[in-house]
Amino acid sequence: DTAVSQTPKYLVTQMGNDKSIKCEQNLGHDTMYWYKQDSKKFLKIMFSYNNKELIINETVPNRFSPKSPDKAHLNLHINSLELGDSAVYFCASSLDRENEKLFFGSGTQLSVL
Amino acid sequence: GQQLNQSPQSMFIQEGEDVSMNCTSSSIFNTWLWYKQDPGEGPVLLIALYKAGELTSNGRLTAQFGITRKDSFLNISASIPSDVGIYFCAGQLWYNYGQNFVFGPGTRLSVLP
Repeated sequence: DTAVSQTPKYLVTQMGNDKSIKCEQNLGHDTMYWYKQDSKKFLKIMFSYNNKELIINETVPNRFSPKSPDKAHLNLHINSLELGDSAVYFCASSLDRENEKLFFGSGTQLSVL
Repeated sequence: GQQLNQSPQSMFIQEGEDVSMNCTSSSIFNTWLWYKQDPGEGPVLLIALYKAGELTSNGRLTAQFGITRKDSFLNISASIPSDVGIYFCAGQLWYNYGQNFVFGPGTRLSVLP
């Protein structure tokens, strides 16, 4: 049973396309996150949701739109993909907005050609 | 903004050797965390540190939260091949909306048989 699962694992697409990454957690956690890991492995937060409500929105282009239909799911939609969007995107969850232990998914490697 | 530095950037050791890596910051953090990332996977939490000066062990891993709350170290004793991966430190910060994390750039560990 995977605690935090995200799909797809790999995503290869052309510049200008729109794509989505899905994330689900079965841990019963209230808080979910999207992180971006660049080619140098640097991890940076993009968004955080607590019980379906957006609580963190770092300086991310408007082309990125997270959606949380319920607290177990946090999807990431990206419009008009650019070359610089190529990275590994990680979904994560924590028990609540104050619990320090993050549980990460296995990542989605996005390659924009 | 807050930034974490990790040293060394990478290290190659022989199986059975002990390993030590550091994380430093110019900012004070509430909590320090150490994560390990295996290739193709998401980071997994190894150790969480909550108090200045705290020394915590998890099997062959030992980590300490610096007295100034601006640094931490992680030691691995008697390294084995499965210790290979990237080790990230992360600092937790509190805001009125909840928590956020700053991740270091990672230490890449290679274990030679």
